[in-house]
Amino acid sequence: DIVMTQSPDSLAVSLGERATIHCKSSQSVLYSFDNRNYLAWYQQIPGQPPKLLIHWASTRESGVPDRFSGSGSGTDFTLTISSLQAEDVAVYYCQQYYSVPCTFGQGTKLEIK
Amino acid sequence: EVQLVESGGGLVNPGGSLRLSCAGSGFIFSNAWMNWVRQAPGKGLEWVVRIKSKSDGETIGYAAPVKGRFTISRDDSKNTVYLEMNSLKTEDTAVYYCATGRVLDIWGQGTMVTVSS
Repeated sequence: DIVMTQSPDSLAVSLGERATIHCKSSQSVLYSFDNRNYLAWYQQIPGQPPKLLIHWASTRESGVPDRFSGSGSGTDFTLTISSLQAEDVAVYYCQQYYSVPCTFGQGTKLEIK
Repeated sequence: EVQLVESGGGLVNPGGSLRLSCAGSGFIFSNAWMNWVRQAPGKGLEWVVRIKSKSDGETIGYAAPVKGRFTISRDDSKNTVYLEMNSLKTEDTAVYYCATGRVLDIWGQGTMVTVSS
């Protein structure tokens, strides 16, 4: 199984400042056949189901604000929120869909400083 | 409106069984890969199982903790996917979400399963 490890476990950032979350996979999720990284990011606001933010490591889902961006390739990935807003308080998860089981990272809790 | 609605959760004794359902609407259900993801109280997300579309062979993949105990199936005529859960353990206690796709782009609100005596 591919193990996904996020860092940090929790993060406090001031409003308007940048937030950065890291995700590392135990093996590459870059599929050579199509040169795509099978990596997604989700946001879960307390009391709600998760919401897909980014797939293919850097493709923003329709309707997701452009302050959210994803980057990275192979085994190392980053989710960046360029200017933190109050509504971004949530837990963020990365997930690989390269192979079954489609494992999640342990989550990163993002709070306002 | 694109929607997934789970049902069938509840309280069950250890060793018991439960069947969850997830009804989809607002999209072509028969083309969708369907997943179950669970979240134990206060914990993170755990992918449980996926069934591909009929056109993709209805291939199924399970997470190790549930393999041999849980069974996923789909009825495209009813736009519904099922999760049959047997030999339930206390550690199966969680909110169970269904979600569509290879990437989980549509999620239901979840149904709570509590395994306790």
